[in-house]
Amino acid sequence: NAGVTQTPKFQVLKTGQSMTLQCAQDMNHNSMYWYRQDPGMGLRLIYYSASEGTTDKGEVPNGYNVSRLNKREFSLRLESAAPSQTSVYFCASSADRGYEQYFGPGTRLTVT
Amino acid sequence: DAKTTQPPSMDCAEGRAANLPCNHSTISGNEYVYWYRQIHSQGPQYIIHGLKNNETNEMASLIITEDRKSSTLILPHATLRDTAVYYCIVRGTGGTSYGKLTFGQGTILTVHP
Repeated sequence: NAGVTQTPKFQVLKTGQSMTLQCAQDMNHNSMYWYRQDPGMGLRLIYYSASEGTTDKGEVPNGYNVSRLNKREFSLRLESAAPSQTSVYFCASSADRGYEQYFGPGTRLTVT
Repeated sequence: DAKTTQPPSMDCAEGRAANLPCNHSTISGNEYVYWYRQIHSQGPQYIIHGLKNNETNEMASLIITEDRKSSTLILPHATLRDTAVYYCIVRGTGGTSYGKLTFGQGTILTVHP
């Protein structure tokens, strides 16, 4: 099992460009999450999907959109990137909302 | 969810037990205590969780005080690979906070040879 995979690993964008971060899990988990981590900080929840077909805002949703494409995949889109979105983005999944979360390796995004 | 307080950093000698404390004095009866760690630049890794009773798995032990206002994560024989940031998180079980993890600053554990 690969667990949680994320693509790309690194990305550099110019202000105003758009991109989609991809996340997939092969553990048949119902719930998936997107977090961001700024330097020296803990993780902050952007969006989550409790189950296929549902998405909800987390702590810092502004500037992002998500799509739960199917049970395996949960993507995060930046429509118009800003320097404040420079961060490391982690995707996670859990069997259900109340269970432990398993994290991917992260995407390091720089917006110039 | 209840707020947690952890020391910013701790040191431990390799082979010795590492005892990481966490204060969660406002925890409510149905909230769980979770521990995760993050090794440099990697995604967080789940370690252990508990509600009231002490818990043990292949990675660590979790000791929760009887009043549940504090807990201690114990790594019984720390190795250099245990050097990481350790996060203590109180997780709600109902309402809009259900399933969400709120990460604080954590404790930087450095294991020395």
